Amino acid sequence: KNEVEQSPQNLTAQEGEFITINCSYSVGISALHWLQQHPGGGIVSLFMLSSGKKKHGRLIATINIQEKHSSLHITASHPRDSAVYICAVANFGNEKLTFGTGTRLTIIP
Amino acid sequence: DSGVTQTPKHLITATGQRVTLRCSPRSGDLSVYWYQQSLDQGLQFLIHYYNGEERAKGNILERFSAQQFPDLHSELNLSSLELGDSALYFCASSPLRGTAGELFFGEGSRLTVL
Repeated sequence: KNEVEQSPQNLTAQEGEFITINCSYSVGISALHWLQQHPGGGIVSLFMLSSGKKKHGRLIATINIQEKHSSLHITASHPRDSAVYICAVANFGNEKLTFGTGTRLTIIP
Repeated sequence: DSGVTQTPKHLITATGQRVTLRCSPRSGDLSVYWYQQSLDQGLQFLIHYYNGEERAKGNILERFSAQQFPDLHSELNLSSLELGDSALYFCASSPLRGTAGELFFGEGSRLTVL
């Protein structure tokens, strides 16, 4: 079973700060997903990674397969980025996702 | 808008009752996944269907069942409801059979069991 750990659990920052959220997993994977969940519940898929780095607007996601670690970065953070960010991993040959417990991000104006 | 539609958005019912949650995937997506999100357990995988066939089961209780119909919409049936079944239930669709492809989530169905 893959263990997925996220850090920090909670993060409060000022508007404009650079944000990093980390995700570590214990067993090799075929893909890693970063998800965003706003208050009120809906889940949005931000990135799906199997190697390297992806960028979308102010969001950047990286993955290091050898170290079993991924990071989600937010540049020039904004109050609308306040949400819970969830990492989820897909194991090889396994159609289940294992989820981290999430990082609650609050950006203060 | 992800293109995935879930109904109902909110549902309040009593213990012992049965409910059906419905999911319409994005046009063309053959995979439907069901997830449960509760306060104490976080997000958990329940079940996956691909083109009408069950592909994988996760932590799904025997009181719960699901199916995917020929038009690819899916239903999650929850019976003999207990207080602990109160949760957000999400479905997600994908064009691929496995979870190494992008997932598109519905807005969820919030179930409250009183």
